[in-house]
Amino acid sequence: QKEVEQNSGPLSVPEGAIASLNCTYSDRGSQSFFWYRQYSGKSPELIMFIYSNGDKEDGRFTAQLNKASQYVSLLIRDSQPSDSATYLCAVAPGFQKLVFGTGTRLLVSP
Amino acid sequence: DAGVIQSPRHEVTEMGQEVTLRCKPISGHDYLFWYRQTMMRGLELLIYFNNNVPIDDSGMPEDRFSAKMPNASFSTLKIQPSEPRDSAVYFCASSPSGGASIKQFFGPGTRLTVL
Repeated sequence: QKEVEQNSGPLSVPEGAIASLNCTYSDRGSQSFFWYRQYSGKSPELIMFIYSNGDKEDGRFTAQLNKASQYVSLLIRDSQPSDSATYLCAVAPGFQKLVFGTGTRLLVSP
Repeated sequence: DAGVIQSPRHEVTEMGQEVTLRCKPISGHDYLFWYRQTMMRGLELLIYFNNNVPIDDSGMPEDRFSAKMPNASFSTLKIQPSEPRDSAVYFCASSPSGGASIKQFFGPGTRLTVL
């Protein structure tokens, strides 16, 4: 079992819709959770992080964490074609070190 | 401020050759990470340093890989000898210390092709 699992996609949504990206992790002791966005041919870019159970909102992005169920999700409201990218879920099982999922490819069609 | 700087951006070499990848972290960041990304395996942590000291090299695939950080502003990842299966994008990332934040900032990457 991989430490961090994501559906590879692609997840296709129309412009203006809500995109929902999900991630599960295996280490119950994990404390910090991150979402990175990676455009094709570019480097990963941090877009959200969450430490506590519940929701965290930042503009059109909402990160959701449920430690009991060991899943973290990212919602993108009012999806735009510019949101088309691969979204990487990352989990910190300890201090500083991150474990990444293989990413979910999101396609937003105009 | 400049972000993480990596060189070269692209490297094409032949099997058996030595390859050296370079990284300059963001000034003031205490942590430096080397990752490898492939389609099959995703983004894998190879090694990371804190204050120039290697902390965890458990991700280094084998003895052909070595990494150094001689000072706070420079790190190298060396592959000797290189093999075709080493072809990947290698990212360097850095992060500041302090608190619970471990936000990592990535460089543009080096695309390595071993023929």
